[in-house]
Amino acid sequence: KQEVTQIPAALSVPEGENLVLNCSFTDSAIYNLQWFRQDPGKGLTSLLLIQSSQREQTSGRLNASLDKSSGRSTLYIAASQPGDSATYLCAVRGGSEKLVFGKGMKLTVNP
Amino acid sequence: GAGVSQTPSNKVTEKGKYVELRCDPISGHTALYWYRQSLGQGPEFLIYFQGTGAADDSGLPNDRFFAVRPEGSVSTLKIQRTERGDSAVYLCASSWGLAGGHLDEQFFGPGTRLTVL
Repeated sequence: KQEVTQIPAALSVPEGENLVLNCSFTDSAIYNLQWFRQDPGKGLTSLLLIQSSQREQTSGRLNASLDKSSGRSTLYIAASQPGDSATYLCAVRGGSEKLVFGKGMKLTVNP
Repeated sequence: GAGVSQTPSNKVTEKGKYVELRCDPISGHTALYWYRQSLGQGPEFLIYFQGTGAADDSGLPNDRFFAVRPEGSVSTLKIQRTERGDSAVYLCASSWGLAGGHLDEQFFGPGTRLTVL
């Protein structure tokens, strides 16, 4: 059974820092991995999707990497801003269509 | 539509009542998913539709939960004899499905917050 872990559960940083968010998964047989952002009381916004054959994807200040063999992904946020404050979730898709999520990491960027 | 929409946004009901939650997927998306998110947890898979059929319902917790998608677009999640433990945010997502292959990206709606008193 696939399990996804995100550590730490929460992170508080001053504005301007470059951040690395970690995600690990137990079964390396994945089709893709998605990173999401969730604001309080809201749904999930898809940030990046990485195919199993890819090493990384970039969108603006965000860069996600994937090391499938070791069961790890990282989300890099450059020059963090208060508007980046949210909960970040990673999710993997294995042999079925469903996504398996981590519990998320709550990020607070202080001005 | 521009995105996945869900109604109602909030639903408060009493223990033992029946509720229906609605999801309108992105136009043209053939795949539709229901997830449930409890406080402080990541979403957990409930059921997946490809077109009108439920291709995977392995996440439904018990037979009080049922979902339909009769015309391959709008879906309704139905919960009978609600229990306090059913309180959660119910999220719907849609995607291009089988046509998307490994690039298949799921887009989520804002969710329905269900509270069972």
